[in-house]
Amino acid sequence: KNQVEQSPQSLIILEGKNCTLQCNYTVSPFSNLRWYKQDTGRGPVSLTIMTFSENTKSNGRYTATLDADTKQSSLHITASQLSDSASYICVVSPYSGAGSYQLTFGKGTKLSVIP
Amino acid sequence: EAQVTQNPRYLITVTGKKLTVTCSQNMNHEYMSWYRQDPGLGLRQIYYSMNVEVTDKGDVPEGYKVSRKEKRNFPLILESPSPNQTSLYFCASSSWSGTGGGDTQYFGPGTRLTVL
Repeated sequence: KNQVEQSPQSLIILEGKNCTLQCNYTVSPFSNLRWYKQDTGRGPVSLTIMTFSENTKSNGRYTATLDADTKQSSLHITASQLSDSASYICVVSPYSGAGSYQLTFGKGTKLSVIP
Repeated sequence: EAQVTQNPRYLITVTGKKLTVTCSQNMNHEYMSWYRQDPGLGLRQIYYSMNVEVTDKGDVPEGYKVSRKEKRNFPLILESPSPNQTSLYFCASSSWSGTGGGDTQYFGPGTRLTVL
């Protein structure tokens, strides 16, 4: 069964510090991997989307990396701000040439940035 | 403005009373999907649709129905709601062409459902 595992489950950091969130997946073959940010009670918002051939993608202070060989991705947040406090969700999209269109979601990492 | 809308945003109902949550997108997206989110369980996919009249089950389809008669709309139907369907529901849409894995999903604002 396809799975996406995220770590840590939760993380507390001081404002201004950097942090890295991890995502391991078993989906194969896959087409792309996405990172979303979700504020409490609101719909997720896309941060990055990477195809299997990309190694890194940035969106402002957010940088995602992908190692398709080890099936690992990370999301690095630079110079954290209080507004970064949210859940970060890793999502893997299958290669639909294999007949599957179902996305696989991780449970998310809850990040708290404190002053 | 490109958006996904859901209605209602909040709903309190009683066990067994049929309800429909509407979802509409204005981006001409092929792929639409419904999710529920419960504490500690993350987002779980209920149903998805690749295009008009094409739907398929996600991870937790029991107790739900969907239809896709028009490209822009994808309603979620609970024919006989039960308390275990109390949850936060999200609709989402994205483009999906060829054998690619789909594009960025745009999520609606969510519908908080309570079944008594």
